[in-house]
Amino acid sequence: EDQVTQSPEALRLQEGESSSLNCSYTVSGLRGLFWYRQDPGKGPEFLFTLYSAGEEKEKERLKATLTKKESFLHITAPKPEDSATYLCSGLDGGSEKLVFGKGTKLTVNP
Amino acid sequence: DSGVTQTPKHLITATGQRVTLRCSPRSGDLSVYWYQQSLDQGLQFLIQYYNGEERAKGNILERFSAQQFPDLHSELNLSSLELGDSALYFCASAGTLGTGELFFGEGSRLTVL
Repeated sequence: EDQVTQSPEALRLQEGESSSLNCSYTVSGLRGLFWYRQDPGKGPEFLFTLYSAGEEKEKERLKATLTKKESFLHITAPKPEDSATYLCSGLDGGSEKLVFGKGTKLTVNP
Repeated sequence: DSGVTQTPKHLITATGQRVTLRCSPRSGDLSVYWYQQSLDQGLQFLIQYYNGEERAKGNILERFSAQQFPDLHSELNLSSLELGDSALYFCASAGTLGTGELFFGEGSRLTVL
């Protein structure tokens, strides 16, 4: 069964304190690893797509990386506006189902 | 604004009742997905339609059903509601098949009392 596991469940950082979020996956015929951001009471918002091990994508203070078994979302010098839940998902190449992890709730204190 | 519209935003109903949630995808998107999000389970895939046809099915209960109409809007019908059905229900759309880049609506929050 496809599984996506994210850690930690919650993370509190001080403004400017860099850190990383982890996403490990076992998805049949993985056809892409996707990161989303979700603000309270809102729908998830797409951030990045990663297709192959070694690939990296960047957007402002966020950088996503992919290995054969896991992905990391690195947050450099975060700001309070980066506070959100970050969701990782894997696309099953056979069923075309997008399977989500439970997310990491990030809080950045000023 | 993702361009995906969901109605109603909030819905409170009683156990045993039936409700219909509606979704209009982004202009031009043929795929519609339904997800359920609860605090303990995270985002759970329910069902996907593409251009009116069912494309993929997740762990959708038999009490739930969905369809996509010729104008591409979709409806999710939930019947014989139970307390455990209380959750956020999200619709998402995509422009192509086999993509993980989905555009989500703001969700319909269902409370079953």
